[in-house]
Amino acid sequence: NAGVTQTPKFQVLKTGQSMTLQCAQDMNHNSMYWYRQDPGMGLRLIYYSASEGTTDKGEVPNGYNVSRLNKREFSLRLESAAPSQTSVYFCASRDTDSARTDTQYFGPGTRLTVL
Amino acid sequence: GDSVTQMEGPVTLSEEAFLTINCTYTATGYPSLFWYVQYPGEGLQLLLKATKADDKGSNKGFEATYRKETTSFHLEKGSVQVSDSAVYFCALSGWNAGNNRKLIWGLGTSLAVNP
Repeated sequence: NAGVTQTPKFQVLKTGQSMTLQCAQDMNHNSMYWYRQDPGMGLRLIYYSASEGTTDKGEVPNGYNVSRLNKREFSLRLESAAPSQTSVYFCASRDTDSARTDTQYFGPGTRLTVL
Repeated sequence: GDSVTQMEGPVTLSEEAFLTINCTYTATGYPSLFWYVQYPGEGLQLLLKATKADDKGSNKGFEATYRKETTSFHLEKGSVQVSDSAVYFCALSGWNAGNNRKLIWGLGTSLAVNP
């Protein structure tokens, strides 16, 4: 049981390049999330997926797209990277078996630098 | 929408000192409350949670009590260790401005414990 895995761990891009961040979970969770973490800003939600086949925008969706490929996988794509997207990106999944649980489980993060 | 406010850091303590990190919230209804911890270079992990008023969450010597009358969920530990050095996030499970159920995050408090 690996929990939530993310690839790659580190990435350096040039402005205008594209890339996809991969996320997978093996806990059979319905909900998955993408966050970015910046100094002094805490965690900000980019996109989320409440269930397979659905995705919704979070607080800061501009410049990103997502795909919920199946129940396990939720990818984040940067079509044309900008320096403002330099950040640490976290994927998370949520246990929704109980409406009161709401515990999110996080991956180890991807550290992205856009030059 | 719902919100979380936690004390700003960084907090620097000597080993075996008493720790308090304040967290207050604004929410409609009856949210669940959480403390997550992020160790250097890692993703976030759940430290403790409480799902109703007067509940006390506890883990690894940390405690927090869900106080509805003061809308608070302060994190405490009686004797910190160097290994507790991390960033601590307070969060609530509530409703965001778009009327969707989400985890609402504080900005995080960095703790450094010196030997």
